[in-house]
Amino acid sequence: QVKLQESGPGRVKPSETLSLTCSVSGGTVSIGSYYWSWVRQPPGKGLEWIGHVYYSGSTNYNPFLKSRVAISVDTSTNQFSLKLNSVTAADTAVYYCARVVYYDYVGGSYHYQYFFDSWGQGTLVTVSS
Amino acid sequence: QSALTQPPSVSGSPGQSVTISCSGTSSDVGSYSRVSWYQQSPGTAPKVMIYEVSNRPSGVPDRFSGSKSGNTASLTISGLQADDEADYYCSSYTTSSTYVFGTGTKVTVL
Repeated sequence: QVKLQESGPGRVKPSETLSLTCSVSGGTVSIGSYYWSWVRQPPGKGLEWIGHVYYSGSTNYNPFLKSRVAISVDTSTNQFSLKLNSVTAADTAVYYCARVVYYDYVGGSYHYQYFFDSWGQGTLVTVSS
Repeated sequence: QSALTQPPSVSGSPGQSVTISCSGTSSDVGSYSRVSWYQQSPGTAPKVMIYEVSNRPSGVPDRFSGSKSGNTASLTISGLQADDEADYYCSSYTTSSTYVFGTGTKVTVL
């Protein structure tokens, strides 16, 4: 059973960079059938996909955040990370790391699925001076 | 990309059925069978209940079912129970290779 755990500062000052790390245990980030993703949820609001990284290092981001976001993966430590720069109060949220099932290989063929099957517990990041 | 549209709230008595709609566009819900649904109780992480429109992960009761017609997906909870009370979010993979979530629906068990 894979387990994901977010870590990082709980408070970031406006205009600075938010940095979080997700540690993966019970599984490896080097498996090609998964993406590794970040999702956030402002207090009292809905979920927002931030972006994902593949074990190869390739990424894709939410177009609304793309100019400020960088997600990377470190296969040697079995972790992936989020950096969000130029933060404002609007970036205050619970940040979740999550695993995305990319495909399942069954009966000699690939079956592409794209859903979030495992989540970290989430970490609240407050942007405040 | 705009959030998928869900009703803010639905409610039902124990044993009844409720259905939550998730309205998108031809660039997301309407394009693929890659719609999933998540249950989120207060203070906890989301949990997948349905993937690929209508598939249930192991451990999810068969009271939960999903369907899709055109640009709208639906989650039905049959035989409503007290512990089904939670927020529910739909999600879809998009033609831009991104993901979009729904606005969320609060399910209340009367």
